[in-house]
Amino acid sequence: DSGVTQTPKHLITATGQRVTLRCSPRSGDLSVYWYQQSLDQGLQFLIQYYNGEERAKGNILERFSAQQFPDLHSELNLSSLELGDSALYFCASSVGTGGQTQYFGPGTRLLVL
Amino acid sequence: GENVEQHPSTLSVQEGDSAVIKCTYSDSASNYFPWYKQELGKGPQLIIDIRSNVGEKKDQRIAVTLNKTAKHFSLHITETQPEDSAVYFCAASMNNQGGKLIFGQGTELSVKP
Repeated sequence: DSGVTQTPKHLITATGQRVTLRCSPRSGDLSVYWYQQSLDQGLQFLIQYYNGEERAKGNILERFSAQQFPDLHSELNLSSLELGDSALYFCASSVGTGGQTQYFGPGTRLLVL
Repeated sequence: GENVEQHPSTLSVQEGDSAVIKCTYSDSASNYFPWYKQELGKGPQLIIDIRSNVGEKKDQRIAVTLNKTAKHFSLHITETQPEDSAVYFCAASMNNQGGKLIFGQGTELSVKP
């Protein structure tokens, strides 16, 4: 158990819908990262927050957004869902930023029908 | 941007043999190189990492080597056991980019008893 929690574990929804994925980092970690894992794209970095502020951005679609709250939990919002958004979404956390060890949560499996 | 190539994509060994997985990276500014193990239905789990000021690191049956000049790093697993069967990912990151991880494509390791 990494100490990173993600909810829900599974999510099934329809195209065009909007969902919210939630992540709680390990106690004491200030950075939260979101990654998408799909068969064709592998593990891809989406976005990072550090102590409530956006720190780095990767290949995140405009339909996706994220935020980190004062209690350091983070939410990833996915809107106007398409079939191709079906994937595993992982959250990771680290103490700081820049070359820090990242601990991954168990992931949320999203299926868009 | 940074690109990480990982080989082989699949690797099958007999229990007790050694396994070697290799990765190359493109950006010489990368300075942190973790390896993750992912079992079916779980999130990636850090197994070992190395920073650019170190050439080799060992932890029991697992070792990682880094060649900064050639821009490649390798994972070595000795005395493999069936429970080592999983998908292994290498990754690279840079301090000045918030610490986002750029992952290789993964290696599916199968250890046959």
